[in-house]
Amino acid sequence: GQSLEQPSEVTAVEGAIVQINCTYQTSGFYGLSWYQQHDGGAPTFLSYNGLDGLEETGRFSSFLSRSDSYGYLLLQELQMKDSASYFCAVRDQPSGAGSYQLTFGKGTKLSVIP
Amino acid sequence: EAGVAQSPRYKIIEKRQSVAFWCNPISGHATLYWYQQILGQGPKLLIQFQNNGVVDDSQLPKDRFSAERLKGVDSTLKIQPAKLEDSAVYLCASSPRAGTAYNEQFFGPGTRLTVL
Repeated sequence: GQSLEQPSEVTAVEGAIVQINCTYQTSGFYGLSWYQQHDGGAPTFLSYNGLDGLEETGRFSSFLSRSDSYGYLLLQELQMKDSASYFCAVRDQPSGAGSYQLTFGKGTKLSVIP
Repeated sequence: EAGVAQSPRYKIIEKRQSVAFWCNPISGHATLYWYQQILGQGPKLLIQFQNNGVVDDSQLPKDRFSAERLKGVDSTLKIQPAKLEDSAVYLCASSPRAGTAYNEQFFGPGTRLTVL
């Protein structure tokens, strides 16, 4: 089975940097994704790490260490609109190449304060 | 490009009643997913389709939930009969095809179900 751990809540100041950690225990692993979800909204894709290292997309970066079963999402120059829930999700292919699936963590609620 | 469409957006029913949700994925997307998201938790996969075939329904409570994807496009998810614990947001997502290196799933706005 799959198990993911991430903090339930984080609060940070506008303009600051925040890091959201994710650790996982999985029977299969092809990569780690991050999704953002505003209250009442749909999850939207932020980033994907299939290999160890850092991926950067604008103000957001994501890191993966497969040997440590650990990843993080780094948000820089925080803005009020970044207040949302952030989910890490493990990509697996439990039924073979045609069955790519995501197992989501419980999410981290980020509150950005002035 | 139009996104994933879902309807209805909200539904309130009494326990033991039936309910159906509809999803229209992004045009050309071969893979379609239904998720259940209980308040305060992450989305949980219920069923995955590749075109009109089921790839994985291992987490679908088959005694009360059913889903179909006729002609490999639209999909419906049905609950019959509903229980109080089925209160959740039901999300539909699609991706171009399974196994692609693209890795992104595109989610619809969801249907918020309340069972009284």
